[in-house]
Amino acid sequence: IQLTQSPSFLSASVGDRVTITCRASQGISTYLAWYQQKPGKAPQLLIYAASTLQSGVPSRFSGSGSGTDFTLTISSLQPEDFATYYCQQFNSYPITFGQGTRLDIK
Amino acid sequence: QVQLQQSGPGLVMPSQTLSLTCVISGDSVSSNYAAWNWIRQSPTSGLEWLGRTYYRSRWHNDYAVSVKSRIVINPDTSKNQVTLHLNSVTPEDTAMYYCVRDHPADHSDSTTDAFDIWGQGTMVTVSS
Repeated sequence: IQLTQSPSFLSASVGDRVTITCRASQGISTYLAWYQQKPGKAPQLLIYAASTLQSGVPSRFSGSGSGTDFTLTISSLQPEDFATYYCQQFNSYPITFGQGTRLDIK
Repeated sequence: QVQLQQSGPGLVMPSQTLSLTCVISGDSVSSNYAAWNWIRQSPTSGLEWLGRTYYRSRWHNDYAVSVKSRIVINPDTSKNQVTLHLNSVTPEDTAMYYCVRDHPADHSDSTTDAFDIWGQGTMVTVSS
């Protein structure tokens, strides 16, 4: 199953609301997770089951969608949110990831 | 809390075998709910799932088609760890390698599965 994220690059300012999209090549129900990766670090789980926030993740992060179309929204960007974001599906093996969305400071 | 500590060489010669170890603390390699995965990341291929091992009454393994002929992931219950062996490596195997736990937040709901714990990563370069 191929996952396509858009955009690949995003430039935004602190306080902005941003949305990242992940599209699956076939339906995956809600078997989708989102991760944040900062330079030199391993990815960290943000959201699982498409819309459930992992413990400890700030509430400004939210996820939605089912089937083939999913979104990750950050309601008000904070300085620590500038990173790369990946979607990933667990519907079927092999597990696959999106190509990533790099979020930079404008 | 659950932690994964990786170890292994950072440089491997072409055609040789890449071997990495992941020591698990705070959970059991024989957990009936977790699976223990290896994922690699490179600028050219992005995040690539390689395979996993898990225990559900017996041991199971799943491997990515791209490496299936070259990979073995073994659990070691005596040391509570998993090992990755990737043979016949080429420069295209150069990547950051991660040991990762996947574990459902709700044991009765498989949609809650996710990669919730990651090792620190091991950068492996394949070069002579």
